[in-house]
Amino acid sequence: GAVVSQHPSRVICKSGTSVKIECRSLDFQATTMFWYRQFPKQSLMLMATSNEGSKATYEQGVEKDKFLINHASLTLSTLTVTSAHPEDSSFYICSAVRVTPYEQYFGPGTRLTVT
Amino acid sequence: KQEVTQIPAALSVPEGENLVLNCSFTDSAIYNLQWFRQDPGKGLTSLLLIQSSQREQTSGRLNASLDKSSGRSTLYIAASQPGDSATYLCAGLSGGYQKVTFGIGTKLQVIP
Repeated sequence: GAVVSQHPSRVICKSGTSVKIECRSLDFQATTMFWYRQFPKQSLMLMATSNEGSKATYEQGVEKDKFLINHASLTLSTLTVTSAHPEDSSFYICSAVRVTPYEQYFGPGTRLTVT
Repeated sequence: KQEVTQIPAALSVPEGENLVLNCSFTDSAIYNLQWFRQDPGKGLTSLLLIQSSQREQTSGRLNASLDKSSGRSTLYIAASQPGDSATYLCAGLSGGYQKVTFGIGTKLQVIP
């Protein structure tokens, strides 16, 4: 199957700093990528839809100024958590959409810990 | 709005037993349904994907079924092994082929 990578896999940062997470589709082009967040013992929740060349679409309750998404190429989307706080500590997973046949491929996830 | 429910939340079985994990969804206009495995602290591993036109998919000891009319999917694991211990998530794709809604998962423990 298609491969999606995320970098870094784990990151620890201090409160108030910004962290960038990369999501790459390695063997196909993805005009659409998604970002999910998973808190402990909860399900994965969609945060935003990232579209190449246009602004991301955020789900209700997700602060667009805090979670900056850039989809600058057909194989790369980035999520930047700005001014991170301990409550932003979570597991972030991206997915990339392959259109034909339609399927979302998920990255391995990034564990963010804000101290 | 699609809602996905998984029952049971946790399951503990002895090695070798056959088991069934259940998933229900509220929006029958589902494009596909996918089962994933998630090990502690790890990402998702896709197990089986069932298109809306299909009724089941099989891979090794795993068999997943989809019944759109009743809003249900099941994951059958035959001859369970300790290595099957993980959290199993089902996810439905709907809403114009874009929205994936996840269940909270079933945490499976297979006891040697």
